[in-house]
Amino acid sequence: AQSVTQLDSQVPVFEEAPVELRCNYSSSVSVYLFWYVQYPNQGLQLLLKYLSGSTLVESINGFEAEFNKSQTSFHLRKPSVHISDTAEYFCAVSDRDFGNEKLTFGTGTRLTIIP
Amino acid sequence: DTGVSQDPRHKITKRGQNVTFRCDPISEHNRLYWYRQTLGQGPEFLTYFQNEAQLEKSRLLSDRFSAERPKGSFSTLEIQRTEQGDSAMYLCASSLAHGGMEAFFGQGTRLTVV
Repeated sequence: AQSVTQLDSQVPVFEEAPVELRCNYSSSVSVYLFWYVQYPNQGLQLLLKYLSGSTLVESINGFEAEFNKSQTSFHLRKPSVHISDTAEYFCAVSDRDFGNEKLTFGTGTRLTIIP
Repeated sequence: DTGVSQDPRHKITKRGQNVTFRCDPISEHNRLYWYRQTLGQGPEFLTYFQNEAQLEKSRLLSDRFSAERPKGSFSTLEIQRTEQGDSAMYLCASSLAHGGMEAFFGQGTRLTVV
């Protein structure tokens, strides 16, 4: 069984300030790791993913996440946020070995950017 | 292709009625998933298909729920004898069958049972 914990349900941040959204997971098997974003009135979109290789992965809009196996974490960071980053962010895992792409999600973190 | 589409976007129904939702996946995707999302929670897996075969069902999917994917194309999710606890956003996603492939989500169907 797998579980994902996002401890922060809401994170307010001033515009151009850095942000970190925390994600920890628990799994008895190897996993793939994902961050999905949900902008207001839109569906879930993949932000970035870790499959293998370099533990630091980046998105096209300046977010990055680092896979830390020993701490079972996959925290999301951005050095300088914009108003347009206002959204809900979901961390998710899927079973690497079974490979059915079934996702187990955390409860989400609502990121609010303060002008 | 415009992505995963779901119909209807909103549904209000009286308790005890049956409802059916439709999902049209991205055409070349052979995997299709249904998730349910309630307020303050992340999406929870319900079931998935590879082509027309339903390969896994969550324990969340009671016997009032049934899903089909005839001919491996669109999918329907039916809820019989709806209950207020069924009120949620029902999300559909599709992907290619390969480890770590991105799942593309539709905008969901919001069900309200009154």
